[in-house]
Amino acid sequence: DAGITQSPRHKVTETGTPVTLRCHQTENHRYMYWYRQDPGHGLRLIHYSYGVKDTDKGEVSDGYSVSRSKTEDFLLTLESATSSQTSVYFCAISDPKQGQGVETQYFGPGTRLLVL
Amino acid sequence: SQKIEQNSEALNIQEGKTATLTCNYTNYSPAYLQWYRQDPGRGPVFLLLIRENEKEKRKERLKVTFDTTLKQSLFHITASQPADSATYLCARRNNAGNMLTFGGGTRLMVKP
Repeated sequence: DAGITQSPRHKVTETGTPVTLRCHQTENHRYMYWYRQDPGHGLRLIHYSYGVKDTDKGEVSDGYSVSRSKTEDFLLTLESATSSQTSVYFCAISDPKQGQGVETQYFGPGTRLLVL
Repeated sequence: SQKIEQNSEALNIQEGKTATLTCNYTNYSPAYLQWYRQDPGRGPVFLLLIRENEKEKRKERLKVTFDTTLKQSLFHITASQPADSATYLCARRNNAGNMLTFGGGTRLMVKP
């Protein structure tokens, strides 16, 4: 978890409310990712960023948006939380070598989100 | 679609034995496969990466193989210890090289 923090670590919210999760890195890595992890589904990519203001969708992006205004911060927003978005959310970073794609990812400690 | 599958059933072994975990993938062989370890309540931690042209890779008590014919990677932990108990995740790179797809993980329990 070194160099990557997530906030909050735990959150309980109600259906229909907006929620923003923050990922902060001190490694100056170019790539940042948001995953969700659910029993029976494993880790699934929500969105990722390959640079400041450069983002793209992952496998399960519906209902989520992201923003990256600085290299060190990657925000995940649930515009209107639903019970199906109850999950554990992990941020990850990587610094792929030129032309070698994703390479190794380093994960944060996770955020447990409960939507009632 | 590019799927990656791991045995969802927990693997229980006795301390000192070799644990072998399996990762199977579909479609084309990825440029590489990765293995991660995840402890309860924590994020995954990278262990090993094996490239398509590498048959085997070792790191201390860990060994990973990559068989493009069987479309399979095996992850071995020799002389297993209770501290090795965790969930182990396999991941493959997608064709564009911009994201990883993870398997569901296999939980390993090493009993003293």
